[in-house]
Amino acid sequence: GENVEQHPSTLSVQEGDSAVIKCTYSDSASNYFPWYKQELGKRPQLIIDIRSNVGEKKDQRIAVTLNKTAKHFSLHITETQPEDSAVYFCAAKALGYSTLTFGKGTMLLVSP
Amino acid sequence: GAVVSQHPSRVICKSGTSVKIECRSLDFQATTMFWYRQFPKQSLMLMATSNEGSKATYEQGVEKDKFLINHASLTLSTLTVTSAHPEDSSFYICSANDRGRDYGYTFGSGTRLTVV
Repeated sequence: GENVEQHPSTLSVQEGDSAVIKCTYSDSASNYFPWYKQELGKRPQLIIDIRSNVGEKKDQRIAVTLNKTAKHFSLHITETQPEDSAVYFCAAKALGYSTLTFGKGTMLLVSP
Repeated sequence: GAVVSQHPSRVICKSGTSVKIECRSLDFQATTMFWYRQFPKQSLMLMATSNEGSKATYEQGVEKDKFLINHASLTLSTLTVTSAHPEDSSFYICSANDRGRDYGYTFGSGTRLTVV
């Protein structure tokens, strides 16, 4: 089955800095890669996703890059703000399957 | 946008009793419902996948007789934790896959279960 590795487990940055979270996946058939933000005690919220037919996608301060050859994808947050503090999860889904496999999560702390 | 309503948000029960958690897709038909368990500071662990009208598929290590899943309609799935024990205390969260959107996954708001 699919295996998703996520690094780092914790990330502390100063407000205004950039943050990068990286994930690798094992199943070359995976074709959908969403990123979720989860605040304490709340549901995961989709913040951005990318499909295997593109290499990069951007939405304001958030961007995701995908390298299919190396089987890794990354989340980039620029100009971080304290409200970006949360746990971020990457996930992967293989073509023909409905199940998302999640990484272990990254706790991002943005200090004012 | 797609909304999944999950109830209750919090429940405290005594050891040995059963608890039912409901997830409803409010404005779309959920082909598939996923049930996750999340311990503090950990990731979402898939417990089971259910398709409307068929038996749920459980992940390895998840007791199907303890965690009963019913997906009787395209808008409702339930998870019943039977004979609950303190070690079952956790955050349970559902996710629904929109029938019309292959890549659409919407999460419920989660249920904090505490077994005393």
